[in-house]
Amino acid sequence: DGGITQSPKYLFRKEGQNVTLSCEQNLNHDAMYWYRQDPGQGLRLIYYSQIVNDFQKGDIAEGYSVSREKKESFPLTVTSAQKNPTAFYLCASSIAARTGELFFGEGSRLTVL
Amino acid sequence: GQQLNQSPQSMFIQEGEDVSMNCTSSSIFNTWLWYKQDPGEGPVLLIALYKAGELTSNGRLTAQFGITRKDSFLNISASIPSDVGIYFCAGHRGGSEKLVFGKGMKLTVNP
Repeated sequence: DGGITQSPKYLFRKEGQNVTLSCEQNLNHDAMYWYRQDPGQGLRLIYYSQIVNDFQKGDIAEGYSVSREKKESFPLTVTSAQKNPTAFYLCASSIAARTGELFFGEGSRLTVL
Repeated sequence: GQQLNQSPQSMFIQEGEDVSMNCTSSSIFNTWLWYKQDPGEGPVLLIALYKAGELTSNGRLTAQFGITRKDSFLNISASIPSDVGIYFCAGHRGGSEKLVFGKGMKLTVNP
């Protein structure tokens, strides 16, 4: 079945460590996105990519980095520069950036100890 | 970044009741969308609206694209326990513009 897979589901890290969240899709979608969700804050866009080897900053990109070397994959690295990294992270894809119809993964919950 | 004004922020209802929620913006959108997020999961698209004035139904869900292009509402009729979750509205202007989300409405349904 086609879909979008995030891993790990739960992740714990110590302060000062970088961590990479995986996002893989087999929907043949061009566009991919990373959102951060905090209670009562809704969904905030971190980074997005409309095509392979290209990506743009979203509204809260500081302390995060991404790569888009393959169409299927859009990993997110939460760096030690992110001051408040504990959150629920959601990856999404869409057939093209011109549509608002997003398919989301199940999310990754990162907790900094 | 811009966010939509979604209200109410939360609702507590009895099973069988209807529920309404809406979303407003100071600027126009070409597409309005409604997503539902089950606890601990990613959001799922419920309804997409592409034309001002459009009224669309999906089972017990009904959504409308406001005629001014600055608002949308979602109704759920005869609620059931599995309707529990967070409902997000989203607006899209088209092209390479980013999707704009509301902050969500948390729905609790008491059996």
